[in-house]
Amino acid sequence: KAGVTQTPRYLIKTRGQQVTLSCSPISGHRSVSWYQQTPGQGLQFLFEYFSETQRNKGNFPGRFSGRQFSNSRSEMNVSTLELGDSALYLCASSLGPQGSGANVLTFGAGSRLTVL
Amino acid sequence: GESVGLHLPTLSVQEGDNSIINCAYSNSASDYFIWYKQESGKGPQFIIDIRSNMDKRQGQRVTVLLNKTVKHLSLQIAATQPGDSAVYFCAENNAGGTSYGKLTFGQGTILTVHP
Repeated sequence: KAGVTQTPRYLIKTRGQQVTLSCSPISGHRSVSWYQQTPGQGLQFLFEYFSETQRNKGNFPGRFSGRQFSNSRSEMNVSTLELGDSALYLCASSLGPQGSGANVLTFGAGSRLTVL
Repeated sequence: GESVGLHLPTLSVQEGDNSIINCAYSNSASDYFIWYKQESGKGPQFIIDIRSNMDKRQGQRVTVLLNKTVKHLSLQIAATQPGDSAVYFCAENNAGGTSYGKLTFGQGTILTVHP
């Protein structure tokens, strides 16, 4: 079956602009998480969605937001871009509640954002 | 200002050797641990996981060991191959039953396998 699909794969923006990134989870996966990966900070959790509800949020400013649709697809948005937002943004999906709360995350290839 | 990149630990081995990658985790409440492999230009790929009620789990050519006393996790790769060259991350889930996708990742270890 198809993996996690993220679009666009690469994009370049300028400071002050906004960006929307899209993620299509594996079919049947209902939980979607987003991570930011940078050389300086490594992999950092942004937020997590299940059934169109944000379940957890990482320590990022309010410029970072996301949502999940009824078909489990998710988008994240970053407004008023700063140079430091340049990063690889990774989406991961998992099945969701299985009683234990622990699921295997399957990651997409990421969207590489460059802010000039 | 200028950002300083993480100085990732590196491990260099010869093809056919066994590799051991170590990870120290911080939260004693973490109940689920995972190892991921990330190749250049790709997202992290699941390797193996282990729950806190276990101390060892084996997969194909890989073994994960968990020592909760010292909060240490290790990944052993048998008969390492050039295709194993990648960055390896350990991750922990310390959100209990409230999260399906919130993981705290380690800084990563660069594994290089020489033919």
